[in-house]
Amino acid sequence: NAGVTQTPKFQVLKTGQSMTLQCAQDMNHNSMYWYRQDPGMGLRLIYYSASEGTTDKGEVPNGYNVSRLNKREFSLRLESAAPSQTSVYFCASSESPGGDSDTQYFGPGTRLTVL
Amino acid sequence: AQSVAQPEDQVNVAEGNPLTVKCTYSVSGNPYLFWYVQYPNRGLQFLLKYITGDNLVKGSYGFEAEFNKSQTSFHLKKPSALVSDSALYFCAVRALPNQAGTALIFGKGTTLSVSS
Repeated sequence: NAGVTQTPKFQVLKTGQSMTLQCAQDMNHNSMYWYRQDPGMGLRLIYYSASEGTTDKGEVPNGYNVSRLNKREFSLRLESAAPSQTSVYFCASSESPGGDSDTQYFGPGTRLTVL
Repeated sequence: AQSVAQPEDQVNVAEGNPLTVKCTYSVSGNPYLFWYVQYPNRGLQFLLKYITGDNLVKGSYGFEAEFNKSQTSFHLKKPSALVSDSALYFCAVRALPNQAGTALIFGKGTTLSVSS
């Protein structure tokens, strides 16, 4: 049981390049989330998927797109990377959105630098 | 809108002493509150949560948190700090169902430094 896995762990891009961050969970969770972490700002929600087949914008969605490929996988795409997207990206998942037992579990993160 | 504040960027404590990491919140309705810890170059690990019930919540690694509705606070505590507790701690509140699903809204984080 690996929990939440993310690839790659590190990435350096040049401005304008594109890339996809991959996330997978093996806990049979319904909901998945993408956050970015910047120094002094905590974590901010980029996109989320409440259930398979649905995605919605979070607090900071500009410059990103997502795909909920199936129940296990939720990818984040940067179409044209900008230096402002230099950050650490975390994927998370939870079992039952809105339930009292709902707890989010996080992956190890992807450190992205855009030059 | 829901929000969380962690008023201290850093907390310093000596090993063996009690520690407190502060968190205050602003919510509509009943709060769902969480504490997470992040060790260097690692993801976030769940420590504990408050949904309903007892105001004192016990969690992992000997941590506990006290929910105080009148003061809208959810402070993280531990009776005796360890050097290995040194890390970045995040308080979070769960968004309302019609506000970004059930995503978490995080505070900015507090760095805990425990000296030997």
